[in-house]
Amino acid sequence: DTEVTQTPKHLVMGMTNKKSLKCEQHMGHRAMYWYKQKAKKPPELMFVYSYEKLSINESVPSRFSPECPNSSLLNLHLHALQPEDSALYLCASSLPGQGRNQPQHFGDGTRLSIL
Amino acid sequence: GDSVTQMEGPVTLSEEAFLTINCTYTATGYPSLFWYVQYPGEGLQLLLKATKADDKGSNKGFEATYRKETTSFHLEKGSVQVSDSAVYFCALSIRETSGSRLTFGEGTQLTVNP
Repeated sequence: DTEVTQTPKHLVMGMTNKKSLKCEQHMGHRAMYWYKQKAKKPPELMFVYSYEKLSINESVPSRFSPECPNSSLLNLHLHALQPEDSALYLCASSLPGQGRNQPQHFGDGTRLSIL
Repeated sequence: GDSVTQMEGPVTLSEEAFLTINCTYTATGYPSLFWYVQYPGEGLQLLLKATKADDKGSNKGFEATYRKETTSFHLEKGSVQVSDSAVYFCALSIRETSGSRLTFGEGTQLTVNP
């Protein structure tokens, strides 16, 4: 069982809809990440939050809006998405600032389909 | 920039065969190295890690040794099972002031037949 929980598992939305993806972890991790993964490809980093502050934005289009309300929760707000945004969206968390790099722990993802 | 190169797949083996998946890296700093596994329909699971030269990571019969002189982190298992069928990603991470960043290889699809 994964310790990073993502909801919903599947989401189908139209290009004019607004929806949100949710990620939760209770491991005391203070770094949280959003990745996008297309079929048969490795995950691509989108955003990094460190101590609830956005620290990395990989030039992601503004139709993706991340939010970190507290140390356990990470959201990704979606608006006016395009068909090419259909993918598996993965959330991850890790312990930052703990000496050597800590591994990231991933959730099972939300499979997003844009009609 | 940093990069990870994995052997191309797919790889198909019979049960109980020996597995090697090659991984080499290029990094400007001193990275930590990871192997992640992704089963169908799931997210990535950390399989093993190594944080300094000559470290050996091991888990579930899989092993990989951090070789700084050859910049490699090859994954091995002595006897694979059908349940090992998955995609395997080699990755490196270097700490940055703005947060940790994982660089992945392209992934290797492994299929184990009974």
